[in-house]
Amino acid sequence: TQLLEQSPQFLSIQEGENLTVYCNSSSVFSSLQWYRQEPGEGPVLLVTVVTGGEVKKLKRLTFQFGDARKDSSLHITAAQPGDTGLYLCAGEPGYGGATNKLIFGTGTLLAVQP
Amino acid sequence: DVKVTQSSRYLVKRTGEKVFLECVQDMDHENMFWYRQDPGLGLRLIYFSYDVKMKEKGDIPEGYSVSREKKERFSLILESASTNQTSMYLCASSGTGTRTDTQYFGPGTRLTVL
Repeated sequence: TQLLEQSPQFLSIQEGENLTVYCNSSSVFSSLQWYRQEPGEGPVLLVTVVTGGEVKKLKRLTFQFGDARKDSSLHITAAQPGDTGLYLCAGEPGYGGATNKLIFGTGTLLAVQP
Repeated sequence: DVKVTQSSRYLVKRTGEKVFLECVQDMDHENMFWYRQDPGLGLRLIYFSYDVKMKEKGDIPEGYSVSREKKERFSLILESASTNQTSMYLCASSGTGTRTDTQYFGPGTRLTVL
């Protein structure tokens, strides 16, 4: 069974700080997605990365897919209270094509204090 | 605006009861998924369906069954609920494309089995 381990599991920081969340596996993924889940809601897609080494930016969020397509990171610059939530990475197993099944990471719960 | 709805936000059942969780999507998506979410474990796939009347087991299908009689509706059935099935249940849907498609999630059903 392919696994995606996220670290850290919990993170509590002050507004304005920077942080990085890691998503690691020993398996290759054809693509990797990041979702954010707020309390009482389902996860919502933030970004999809598909090419090894790819970097995507979404305002203060920077996402990177590892060169070997086994890992990814999410960096938040100058965190805001609105960034609070559960961050989940999700990988599509394999080397290419769409299987439409995702392996979800263990999650990182972020709390940004004002 | 895309929408995935789940029949209940909160549900309390007794051990041994039969439990039905229903999910409806309005996006004409081919794929539908049932996950359970537990702290520290992320989302784990129970079952998914890629077409009407078609289903495949996910990573943790034991104790669950599913039904998809219409394209827009995907039901999760707990034949005889047990306390270890107390969890948050999330339904999702996605289209079929050549690349990883976004999964759209419902708000979740928090099930407690006493």
